[in-house]
Amino acid sequence: GAVVSQHPSWVICKSGTSVKIECRSLDFQATTMFWYRQFPKQSLMLMATSNEGSKATYEQGVEKDKFLINHASLTLSTLTVTSAHPEDSSFYICSARDGREDQPQHFGDGTRLSIL
Amino acid sequence: AQKVTQAQTEISVVEKEDVTLDCVYETRDTTYYLFWYKQPPSGELVFLIRRNSFDEQNEISGRYSWNFQKSTSSFNFTITASQVVDSAVYFCALRGPNAGKSTFGDGTTLTVKP
Repeated sequence: GAVVSQHPSWVICKSGTSVKIECRSLDFQATTMFWYRQFPKQSLMLMATSNEGSKATYEQGVEKDKFLINHASLTLSTLTVTSAHPEDSSFYICSARDGREDQPQHFGDGTRLSIL
Repeated sequence: AQKVTQAQTEISVVEKEDVTLDCVYETRDTTYYLFWYKQPPSGELVFLIRRNSFDEQNEISGRYSWNFQKSTSSFNFTITASQVVDSAVYFCALRGPNAGKSTFGDGTTLTVKP
């Protein structure tokens, strides 16, 4: 089955630092990638959708300058949390799918980000 | 606008019981796709099944079965003879044609006790 690799799994860092999370599709070309944020015991909150080679489309309320998304190739997307603060602590999940309309999304294992 | 409702927030059953997770959706599209995903305690979401709007056949995969009824806009998921390993959060999702993103329900937390 389709595999999406997300790194790192855990990040603990000081307030004010920037954190980059990578998401790779290992065995398919990810035309579209998604970044989600999930709070404990809550559903997935879509942050942005990115298509390869295009600027990401951010959901309402998500700060573009805070959460930088790059989707430079068909197999790699990155999310950079800039100048992270404790309120940015969360579980971040990437997802990818190929260009076919009926295909499911495949998810990375998620990144638990803790800002001290 | 699309909407997915998973009315059951939490369900607790004892091992070997059958359990059904409900999913009701709203959409104006005539072509759409429905999905179920499983999120175990470890956190990674796993794709379980996809259904196209023009295919109302029910599906069975081992202990899992899905009942898709367009008349009631429902796509329910039944686990037969539940096991402890089935404990997870289950999400139902809907996507329209040519749509980039899916609409997810709030999830149902299933706990299967030994």
